[in-house]
Amino acid sequence: SYVLTQPPSVSVAPGKTARITCGGNNIGGKRVHWYQQKPGQAPVMVMYYDRDRPSGIPERFSGSHSGNTATLSINRVEAGDEADYYCQMWDTTNDHLVFGGGTKLTVL
Amino acid sequence: EVQLVESGGGLGQPGGSLRLSCAASGFTFRSYWMSWVRQAPGKGLECVARIKRDGSEQLYVDSVRGRFTISRDNAKNFLFLQMNSLRTEDTAMYYCARVNDGDYVPHFDLWGQGNLVTVSS
Repeated sequence: SYVLTQPPSVSVAPGKTARITCGGNNIGGKRVHWYQQKPGQAPVMVMYYDRDRPSGIPERFSGSHSGNTATLSINRVEAGDEADYYCQMWDTTNDHLVFGGGTKLTVL
Repeated sequence: EVQLVESGGGLGQPGGSLRLSCAASGFTFRSYWMSWVRQAPGKGLECVARIKRDGSEQLYVDSVRGRFTISRDNAKNFLFLQMNSLRTEDTAMYYCARVNDGDYVPHFDLWGQGNLVTVSS
């Protein structure tokens, strides 16, 4: 089955920019979605179709996709952004909706 | 209010059965694919089952195929997950999630609060 690879952890100082990557073979032609999960809460979608923000998600969140890597960027990071972040795509070969392993964002 | 509320679950024995329910409200339930996503303690997310709008097609991840059955009642706006032949590795938080397949690239745009299933003797 398809594997999406994320770094286990990313640390960033408040006010700086956090970048969380998601890689996989041949994802260049595929759309990637992103979810934020805070401790004890259900996931919330923060980005879809690589770079579209759902209503209610701050403009500080942005997405990009180049080659086989998708990136979620969070500008001017705040303490409230500390959470686990998951990328997700559609594996059309097996018709599975696949998640990356998740990245824990720590705000220093 | 647009929401998904899960119920059921709890403690099950290895080899036993449990049934999860998810009540949908605030949107046209029959217009969406629906899914169950689980998260083992301290682990990541895994979509274990999806069901088509009219219930005519169900898709499962290999680890639950033949043991779990996803179904829906569009008249009452409910989603179900019947879990049989439970294994300890099925222990997880189970989330009901709405699938948005606009532009034909499915993603989860609405989640329930989660329901904990523990399989233990």
